[in-house]
Amino acid sequence: DGGITQSPKYLFRKEGQNVTLSCEQNLNHDAMYWYRQDPGQGLRLIYYSQIVNDFQKGDIAEGYSVSREKKESFPLTVTSAQKNPTAFYLCASSTLDRDGYTFGSGTRLTVV
Amino acid sequence: EDQVTQSPEALRLQEGESSSLNCSYTVSGLRGLFWYRQDPGKGPEFLFTLYSAGEEKEKERLKATLTKKESFLHITAPKPEDSATYLCAVLYSGNTPLVFGKGTRLSVIA
Repeated sequence: DGGITQSPKYLFRKEGQNVTLSCEQNLNHDAMYWYRQDPGQGLRLIYYSQIVNDFQKGDIAEGYSVSREKKESFPLTVTSAQKNPTAFYLCASSTLDRDGYTFGSGTRLTVV
Repeated sequence: EDQVTQSPEALRLQEGESSSLNCSYTVSGLRGLFWYRQDPGKGPEFLFTLYSAGEEKEKERLKATLTKKESFLHITAPKPEDSATYLCAVLYSGNTPLVFGKGTRLSVIA
């Protein structure tokens, strides 16, 4: 079955460390997205990519980095520059028509 | 600035008590409006897409409608399993991602 897979489901990070969240899709979607979700804040866009080797900043890109070396993969790195990284991270993909996103199951990142 | 506003933030219903959730958006080139359901600790699940004013879509106890300024998600005779957060998202013209509202947290009590 086609879908989008995020891993790990839970991730713990010590302050000062970089961590990378994985997102893989087999839907043949061109576009991929990373959102951050905090209680009461809704979904806030971090980065998105519409084609391999190209990506754009979203509303809250500071302290994050991404790469898009393959169509199927869009990993997100949370760097030590991100001051408040504890959150629920969601990856999504879509066709270029953006007719509805398919979401992964999310990664909950906790800084300890 | 394009915005999506959902109300109420939270809604508590008795089982069988019908109600509506609201999603309002700024009018600037709407291309589509999307409704998602999100259960705690999970990713959003697609429910409906609406493209033009007057359009309606139904799925089980849910019915989504669209006007020129807002969308409603009507829930008829809800059951406890309908408890979730319902997210609204808008696709504006241009090459931009969906803009999400903050969601309505629905609780249905047996």
